[in-house]
Amino acid sequence: DAGVIQSPRHEVTEMGQEVTLRCKPISGHDYLFWYRQTMMRGLELLIYFNNNVPIDDSGMPEDRFSAKMPNASFSTLKIQPSEPRDSAVYFCASQHTSGGYTQYFGPGTRLTVL
Amino acid sequence: SQQGEEDPQALSIQEGENATMNCSYKTSINNLQWYRQNSGRGLVHLILIRSNEREKHSGRLRVTLDTSKKSSSLLITASRAADTASYFCATAPGNMLTFGGGTRLMVKP
Repeated sequence: DAGVIQSPRHEVTEMGQEVTLRCKPISGHDYLFWYRQTMMRGLELLIYFNNNVPIDDSGMPEDRFSAKMPNASFSTLKIQPSEPRDSAVYFCASQHTSGGYTQYFGPGTRLTVL
Repeated sequence: SQQGEEDPQALSIQEGENATMNCSYKTSINNLQWYRQNSGRGLVHLILIRSNEREKHSGRLRVTLDTSKKSSSLLITASRAADTASYFCATAPGNMLTFGGGTRLMVKP
């Protein structure tokens, strides 16, 4: 298996632009998580899905952030409009129900908002 | 908020020495996991210990869990330069993991 795939790996954009991050989970996994990592705040859970349904989005910082999972093999995290404080590394992770809550992380997307 | 807190925040040792990292958490858990993150990469699962286990080994890794003290430790024996990374504990009180702030380990050759 290729593992969790994220794209793009790096994104540089200007303040006010829309940013879309993409994730393909491991086939057969039924949970998908989006995290944000910064030096100041560490690793933060933004939202997670179970069987494509958003379960907990309490970590989403504000309405500028939205996430979708239209099918079991694809998810997006969108920021619109982006701001410099959104600069961070965004990780996607997937998990299988029978896996004891072990999560498999993608390589991350490093987002820089100028 | 972070459920787990690692200690120390940073650790620097020589190759061949043992490295010990500690994790404290606040609520009851189903299991506790340790992850490693190399610079610029995603987190990689190292080991999982269930709440009814006290110690677990995997290669050069040894994890202990004390649920009465709500704490865990990760021991890396005979460290190598390749062990340089950040190490995170993660607790599973429910269906998802809560990660601590991590310990940055540097192993000098």
